[in-house]
Amino acid sequence: DTAVSQTPKYLVTQMGNDKSIKCEQNLGHDTMYWYKQDSKKFLKIMFSYNNKELIINETVPNRFSPKSPDKAHLNLHINSLELGDSAVYFCASSQFYATNEKLFFGSGTQLSVL
Amino acid sequence: AQTVTQSQPEMSVQEAETVTLSCTYDTSESNYYLFWYKQPPSRQMILVIRQEAYKQQNATENRFSVNFQKAAKSFSLKISDSQLGDTAMYFCAFRINTGTASKLTFGTGTRLQVTL
Repeated sequence: DTAVSQTPKYLVTQMGNDKSIKCEQNLGHDTMYWYKQDSKKFLKIMFSYNNKELIINETVPNRFSPKSPDKAHLNLHINSLELGDSAVYFCASSQFYATNEKLFFGSGTQLSVL
Repeated sequence: AQTVTQSQPEMSVQEAETVTLSCTYDTSESNYYLFWYKQPPSRQMILVIRQEAYKQQNATENRFSVNFQKAAKSFSLKISDSQLGDTAMYFCAFRINTGTASKLTFGTGTRLQVTL
């Protein structure tokens, strides 16, 4: 069973379109994240939700809107896609305040904006 | 703000040899965690090893060990008996332990190639 699953794995779209990436975790964790990995492989956090509440919101354009319908799901919606949005987006989860808290990552969604 | 620096963009090692990847970080915090993550060509981010800053003993996981020098703010990863499957990008990461969520700050990565 996949612990953190993201769909789709690949997403190719035109500039100006709106797209969503879905993420689900079956680990029973209460905290989920979105990270962005750019073309130089640099990873940076975008958002974090704890029990459906937004707790980390880095400097991300308003075109990016995360939504957490429940603590097992965290989706990322992107409006008016731009060329610079091309990247790999990783979902992750962890159990907040756990003694041995670790981040579990999904396999990533490669977004290509043409 | 915390920063993580990996000064070796690429490294190469022969199978069965030992290699050390460097990582330095900058923080004014005293309580934090350090991590090494591996990203093979499959793109999956895999936790290799984890170190709590309050522990003086260096963490080890099978062939992977760290050299944690808190005063020098250094956290290097040693891979012994390198295997072809160790070929990957390796990321050093840092997290403060103030009760906030796991906001990892990553280094820029080191691409490791294991050769025959």
